[in-house]
Amino acid sequence: RKEVEQDPGPFNVPEGATVAFNCTYSNSASQSFFWYRQDCRKEPKLLMSVYSSGNEDGRFTAQLNRASQYISLLIRDSKLSDSATYLCVVSYTGRRALTFGSGTRLQVQP
Amino acid sequence: GAVVSQHPSRVICKSGTSVKIECRSLDFQATTMFWYRQFPKQSLMLMATSNEGSKATYEQGVEKDKFLINHASLTLSTLTVTSAHPEDSSFYICSAGEQGATYEQYFGPGTRLTVT
Repeated sequence: RKEVEQDPGPFNVPEGATVAFNCTYSNSASQSFFWYRQDCRKEPKLLMSVYSSGNEDGRFTAQLNRASQYISLLIRDSKLSDSATYLCVVSYTGRRALTFGSGTRLQVQP
Repeated sequence: GAVVSQHPSRVICKSGTSVKIECRSLDFQATTMFWYRQFPKQSLMLMATSNEGSKATYEQGVEKDKFLINHASLTLSTLTVTSAHPEDSSFYICSAGEQGATYEQYFGPGTRLTVT
């Protein structure tokens, strides 16, 4: 079983739609959680950290459920520029390296 | 924000040759740098953790004699792919963390290696 699992998609949605991505992690020692965005043939870029209380940044909302070892990302009012692969990322206590999910591809269509 | 550069951005080499990739933190000191590899349509996989002034820590399954890592200063780590083969063709990405910071990492733009 992969340490971080994501639905690979692709999710094809029209502009303005709301889309949700889910992620599960298997290691309960996971301490920090992030969503990264990766454009084709580019490096990943941090989108947002994920906190237990949930957090929002503009059109993006992230949620963490430690009991279920589940992380989500909600994108409202999708833009064409949101088309990318979204990576669920965790880090473990005492280990600075990041563990990446395989990513969920989003394609926003006009 | 902190900037990490990688050089070269793209390299094509013949099978059996060696390739060196540089990763630099431009405006901060990085005691630790990480090297990841990403095959097409797959996620980033950690190859090794590069520690300034000491030996790198390799992940299980990564050959340390094939992927040589040197971290001689607080701003530079190098990855050398020795005797490259076509199956080594991949996207290699480094990241760096600032001294004293916990989990935030800054990624380089990546190096696309093609071995013919």
